[in-house]
Amino acid sequence: GQNIDQPTEMTATEGAIVQINCTYQTSGFNGLFWYQQHAGEAPTFLSYNVLDGLEEKGRFSSFLSRSKGYSYLLLKELQMKDSASYLCAVRDRNYQLIWGAGTKLIIKP
Amino acid sequence: GAGVSQSPRYKVAKRGQDVALRCDPISGHVSLFWYQQALGQGPEFLTYFQNEAQLDKSGLPSDRFFAERPEGSVSTLKIQRTQQEDSAVYLCASSLAPGGMYEQYFGPGTRLTVT
Repeated sequence: GQNIDQPTEMTATEGAIVQINCTYQTSGFNGLFWYQQHAGEAPTFLSYNVLDGLEEKGRFSSFLSRSKGYSYLLLKELQMKDSASYLCAVRDRNYQLIWGAGTKLIIKP
Repeated sequence: GAGVSQSPRYKVAKRGQDVALRCDPISGHVSLFWYQQALGQGPEFLTYFQNEAQLDKSGLPSDRFFAERPEGSVSTLKIQRTQQEDSAVYLCASSLAPGGMYEQYFGPGTRLTVT
C-alpha cells in the first residue's frame, strides 16, 4: 500500500528553526509537495520537489532524497503565524496526490 | 484575483437526506479535484475531472457519492442518503494543467455534519 509518515505534532519557539520530516512509500514518484493548513482553512501551497536536493523560498526550505523516500520542510525565524498543520503529499505514478495526516506545529513565545 | 470558492461553507443534514456541494474553480483551470478530509487527517482523494471528463473516480467511497462537471467549469458533489460517517470537510481544488502537473489551489471547503 501507499504510505506517508510525518510526526503528529511538534512544538517550537518563536524565532527558532524547526524541521518537519516526511517519509513515503508510494507506487511511483512524480514529485513531493508541502502545504500549510491553518485550522478551519484550506491548504495552501508551500513548495514542490521533484529532484534531489534543497529548494529554498524565503524562510521556508524543502529537501528531497528520492533514494531514501524522505523529505523535510525547514522553517526559519519562526513567527506565531506559522502555527498551523503542515501536510506532505506525494504524486504517485498515476499523478494522484497521496497525503500524509499532517504535522501540527505549535509556536510558543 | 478570484480563488476557488465552495458553497455552502457549512451543511447540516439529517441521516438519509441528499446533499449537493458546489465548487467554482479558478477560471481556466483544466483540472478539478474533490477530497474528503476528516478531523486531524490529510485530504483523501475522491475524484478528478479534466475539463468535463471524469477521469478518475476511484476514491469515491460508495455509489451514494456522485460528482459532475458538465461544462468543464463548476462542479457538484452529490451525496445521496447521507450517513454519519459522511461527516467531514469536503475540499475542492483546481489546477491549471491536466493531471495535476502543477500545484493545486484549494477552496475553503464545505463542512458537512450528518446528524
